[in-house]
Amino acid sequence: AQSVTQLDSHVSVSEGTPVLLRCNYSSSYSPSLFWYVQHPNKGLQLLLKYTSAATLVKGINGFEAEFKKSETSFHLTKPSAHMSDAAEYFCVVSDAGRRALTFGSGTRLQVQP
Amino acid sequence: DAGVIQSPRHEVTEMGQEVTLRCKPISGHDYLFWYRQTMMRGLELLIYFNNNVPIDDSGMPEDRFSAKMPNASFSTLKIQPSEPRDSAVYFCASSRGSIWNGELFFGEGSRLTVL
Repeated sequence: AQSVTQLDSHVSVSEGTPVLLRCNYSSSYSPSLFWYVQHPNKGLQLLLKYTSAATLVKGINGFEAEFKKSETSFHLTKPSAHMSDAAEYFCVVSDAGRRALTFGSGTRLQVQP
Repeated sequence: DAGVIQSPRHEVTEMGQEVTLRCKPISGHDYLFWYRQTMMRGLELLIYFNNNVPIDDSGMPEDRFSAKMPNASFSTLKIQPSEPRDSAVYFCASSRGSIWNGELFFGEGSRLTVL
């Protein structure tokens, strides 16, 4: 079975400081992994994806994530937080042969001025 | 280009009433998904279609829920009769090609409140 665990339900950072949102996955196959972002009262938007190419993946708005198979992790990072980054972030996994994507429980990122 | 369009954005109804949520996917997309989001359960897949055909409806909670996709540009999710525990935000999403590439395009959601 496939699953993702987002280790923090809430993260608070100051503007201009680094962001780290943690995600561990479990998968029977070689997974594809994604991060989605949801701003308040909006739908989800794809931030970046890993599909077995380069292990360091760059996404929109300066975010990136590194796939680490040995640690079964896919943490999301950004060097410097901006106020507009305040949102909920979802780690997502898909397995070949499964019916669809499995979403994590989400991490709410708060950015303090 | 227009994104995924959902209506209504907000719906307040009383228990026992029928609720119909609507979705227009992005033109050219051949997959359509219905998700439900609640604080307790997070984001759950209810059903998805490929080329207007339902592929997997195992996430539909009960017989009170039904979904249709009569053509490539329109889908409905119906709840009859509605119950307070159905209160949630319902998202429609669409994608093109293989669903395993993970690139779903979401609408802004329909927030349902059942009193």
